Amino acid sequence: SQQGEEDPQALSIQEGENATMNCSYKTSINNLQWYRQNSGRGLVHLILIRSNEREKHSGRLRVTLDTSKKSSSLLITASRAADTASYFCATVGASGTYKYIFGTGTRLKVLA
Amino acid sequence: GAGVSQSPSNKVTEKGKDVELRCDPISGHTALYWYRQRLGQGLEFLIYFQGNSAPDKSGLPSDRFSAERTGESVSTLTIQRTQQEDSAVYLCASSLDGVSSTDTQYFGPGTRLTVL
Repeated sequence: SQQGEEDPQALSIQEGENATMNCSYKTSINNLQWYRQNSGRGLVHLILIRSNEREKHSGRLRVTLDTSKKSSSLLITASRAADTASYFCATVGASGTYKYIFGTGTRLKVLA
Repeated sequence: GAGVSQSPSNKVTEKGKDVELRCDPISGHTALYWYRQRLGQGLEFLIYFQGNSAPDKSGLPSDRFSAERTGESVSTLTIQRTQQEDSAVYLCASSLDGVSSTDTQYFGPGTRLTVL
């Protein structure tokens, strides 16, 4: 079964720097979504990118998708201490709709 | 309106006991999902409810796990004869229809289950 894998597993940066995390997956997708999780609790939806899109922006977030490489990246610009969290990608398969496949996550720590 | 709520937020139980976890989805959301997240891991799909359709139980790890949903509202996840490997955060999510490919899932805060 397809599985998203994020890298790096952990990332530590200074406030104001940019943070980039990557997600790879194995099979065809309809869309890919990024979520944030604080303190191992509920996930918050950040952004969705469709398979026919290459780049999407939302505030300080920039997501790219390369379907030929089966990979996506999430860039957080001008990071803040409040961005400290785990970030997960979730893929929605080309044939399925509700079964999200979540990656293993990137733990981001932003130092003030 | 209110988001997805789950109760209890924390549950400590002894091995062999049964536990019930509750999820209240966002009003009007027809789809509801349960996930399990072990420490430091990603989310594992457990079960999916959508309207009056038969639930997709393909993610339930064993017959000790079961879930019910009353109409389009509350859902309970029951784990019988708990084992230490059941220790995890159990997350519930709901979405508007669970059918359209860009439907977004909204998550509750989770229940942290610890089996001693």
